[in-house]
Amino acid sequence: KQEVTQIPAALSVPEGENLVLNCSFTDSAIYNLQWFRQDPGKGLTSLLLIQSSQREQTSGRLNASLDKSSGRSTLYIAASQPGDSATYLCAVGDNYGQNFVFGPGTRLSVLP
Amino acid sequence: EPEVTQTPSHQVTQMGQEVILRCVPISNHLYFYWYRQILGQKVEFLVSFYNNEISEKSEIFDDQFSVERPDGSNFTLKIRSTKLEDSAMYFCASTSVNPFGGANVLTFGAGSRLTVL
Repeated sequence: KQEVTQIPAALSVPEGENLVLNCSFTDSAIYNLQWFRQDPGKGLTSLLLIQSSQREQTSGRLNASLDKSSGRSTLYIAASQPGDSATYLCAVGDNYGQNFVFGPGTRLSVLP
Repeated sequence: EPEVTQTPSHQVTQMGQEVILRCVPISNHLYFYWYRQILGQKVEFLVSFYNNEISEKSEIFDDQFSVERPDGSNFTLKIRSTKLEDSAMYFCASTSVNPFGGANVLTFGAGSRLTVL
C-alpha cells in the first residue's frame, strides 16, 4: 500500500528565501505526482503535475522534481513571498491515475 | 476561470441522518472524484466516477456511501445513516483528461464541511 510522507511538517522562513519541500513515497511504481496548495478552509489548488516519465516541471517561481527510483519529489520555491504561506500537499497518482494518495502536507509560513 | 462548485459549504446533521453533498464540476470535464479530509488528517480518496459509473473506490467507500450524476451538471455524494466519524471536509474534484494519459490535473472545489452530532 502506497504511503506518502512529507518533511518538514512545518516551516517558517523570512520573505525572499529560497526553500525546498520534500515528499517521499514507498512504492516507486507511480503513475504521476502532483503538488497542491491548500489555504485554510479552502480547497486544493494544483500547482504542478509531473508524469512518471518526467524529471521535473516548472511554473513561475516553482520547480518540482521527481526521482521515481528513490521515491522522492521536491518542490522548490524561489524568492518566497508572504502570499506563499499555505499548506503544500504532495499527492502520488496511483492505480493508473485513478486516485491520488496524499501526504500530510508541509505548513509554510513566509514572514514579511 | 472555471471552477468546481460545492454545496452546502457547511452542514450539521444528527447521527443516523442521511446527507447529500452536491458538486457542479467544470462543464467539459468527464472524470469526477470525491475526497475527504478529517480535521488534522490527510486528504483521502473516496471514489472516482466516469461515464456514469464508479471507476475506482477506496475501502472507506462502503455501502453507506453512494454517488450519482442525476443530470448533466450535478455530481452528488450521499451518505446514509451518518456516523460521528463521518465528520470531515468533503472535496469534489474533476478533470477533463483521461487519467490513463497521466496528465490528469485535478480541479478541486472549496469543500463541504460535514459535522455529525
